[in-house]
Amino acid sequence: AQKVTQAQTEISVVEKEDVTLDCVYETRDTTYYLFWYKQPPSGELVFLIRRNSFDEQNEISGRYSWNFQKSTSSFNFTITASQVVDSAVYFCALLTNNAGNMLTFGGGTRLMVKP
Amino acid sequence: AAGVIQSPRHLIKEKRETATLKCYPIPRHDTVYWYQQGPGQDPQFLISFYEKMQSDKGSIPDRFSAQQFSDYHSELNMSSLELGDSALYFCASRKQGSDYEQYFGPGTRLTVT
Repeated sequence: AQKVTQAQTEISVVEKEDVTLDCVYETRDTTYYLFWYKQPPSGELVFLIRRNSFDEQNEISGRYSWNFQKSTSSFNFTITASQVVDSAVYFCALLTNNAGNMLTFGGGTRLMVKP
Repeated sequence: AAGVIQSPRHLIKEKRETATLKCYPIPRHDTVYWYQQGPGQDPQFLISFYEKMQSDKGSIPDRFSAQQFSDYHSELNMSSLELGDSALYFCASRKQGSDYEQYFGPGTRLTVT
C-alpha cells in the first residue's frame, strides 16, 4: 500500500519568512517518483517538481528548494522569503509503477502568507 | 505550449441528473487520468486510460463510467448524481515512455443541488 502524509494541515507565516512543508511517504516499491503541486485559490494544480527515487540530490529553483531523504522517507519543500502569492494549498504526491501509475496525494498543507 | 483542456469548467446539476465531463489531452499524449477532489480534500484517482483501453481503476462509483476515444479525448459520464458528487474533477494526461509527470487540466467544478 502507498501513503503520503502531510502532517501540517495549515501554516501561517508573515511575508519574507522561510517556511518548510513536510511530506512523508510510504511505499514498498524501490522505484518511485515524488511530486509537489501547488493549488492556488483558483483551483488548478500547478506542477512544481518531480524527484526519482534513485536521485537523492536536493534541488533549488529560485526561492523553492526540496530536500529528499530516503532514509527518513521524506521529501520536504522549503520556500525562502515567502510572498503573499505563495498562499495556496500544497500537495505532495507519490507514483509507483506497481501501483498503476496513478498519483497518491497527501492531504495537503494550506499555506497562508500574510503581508 | 498546448495544455490539457477540460469542458465545461463549471457545471450545476440537480440530484439524480446525469453529467458528462470532457477532457482533451495534450497533443501526442496517449494516457488520460481522472481525479476527483472533494471540498477540502486531496485529489483521489478515479480511472485511467492508455491507448483507448482502461488501464487502472480507483475509487470510481459504479454510477460513473468513462472512455477514451480514437482522438484520445476522454469523457467521464456520471449518472444518478448525488450531493456528494459535488467536487472538482481533474483530468491529467501523459505520454507513455516519457517522464512520469502528469499534466493537469484546469478542472471541472461540478455542483449538485
